[in-house]
Amino acid sequence: EAQVTQNPRYLITVTGKKLTVTCSQNMNHEYMSWYRQDPGLGLRQIYYSMNVEVTDKGDVPEGYKVSRKEKRNFPLILESPSPNQTSLYFCASTPTLAGGGDTQYFGPGTRLTVL
Amino acid sequence: GQNIDQPTEMTATEGAIVQINCTYQTSGFNGLFWYQQHAGEAPTFLSYNVLDGLEEKGRFSSFLSRSKGYSYLLLKELQMKDSASYLCAVRINTNAGKSTFGDGTTLTVKP
Repeated sequence: EAQVTQNPRYLITVTGKKLTVTCSQNMNHEYMSWYRQDPGLGLRQIYYSMNVEVTDKGDVPEGYKVSRKEKRNFPLILESPSPNQTSLYFCASTPTLAGGGDTQYFGPGTRLTVL
Repeated sequence: GQNIDQPTEMTATEGAIVQINCTYQTSGFNGLFWYQQHAGEAPTFLSYNVLDGLEEKGRFSSFLSRSKGYSYLLLKELQMKDSASYLCAVRINTNAGKSTFGDGTTLTVKP
């Protein structure tokens, strides 16, 4: 089954404790992206990757890191989480941006709470 | 910066037609997307417009006017399951990987 998976789905942690949220897609998609969603707000893009070893900042990259060493995986790293990073996180992938019309397939989301 | 506006909430009756508007002011434009998101779930793709005009897909249609920075999503024959949040998103042309989303419109369908 074609899908985007995220782990963990739920995480409660404390300020300053490094964490990684994994994202994996099995559709051989080139483009992957991370978003956060806060109550009453739409999705805000954190980072995106056009392909292996190619990443760039979205609108809210502060406090986050990403890597794209293989095509299927795009982990989101919080080196020193803070309470303002408490949010719902979505990973998404797209086959390619050629032609611009390809839709994004979203993972199920990771609900992160930083105490 | 990028700015996308859509109404916060709308209410409609089952079986009716509802139009959700989206206006955008962005530094570039490489397509406009509509997504549906049920509470607690991931967004799912509804439609894509890059040229002016109407795109129809079953009960859902989406319209785009690039000169006016305006789009709408039209939902016909509303069903209770259409109660959800509808997100308008613009892919920015200057950097094809960047997408900006509106805050979403929460649609409530009543019997």
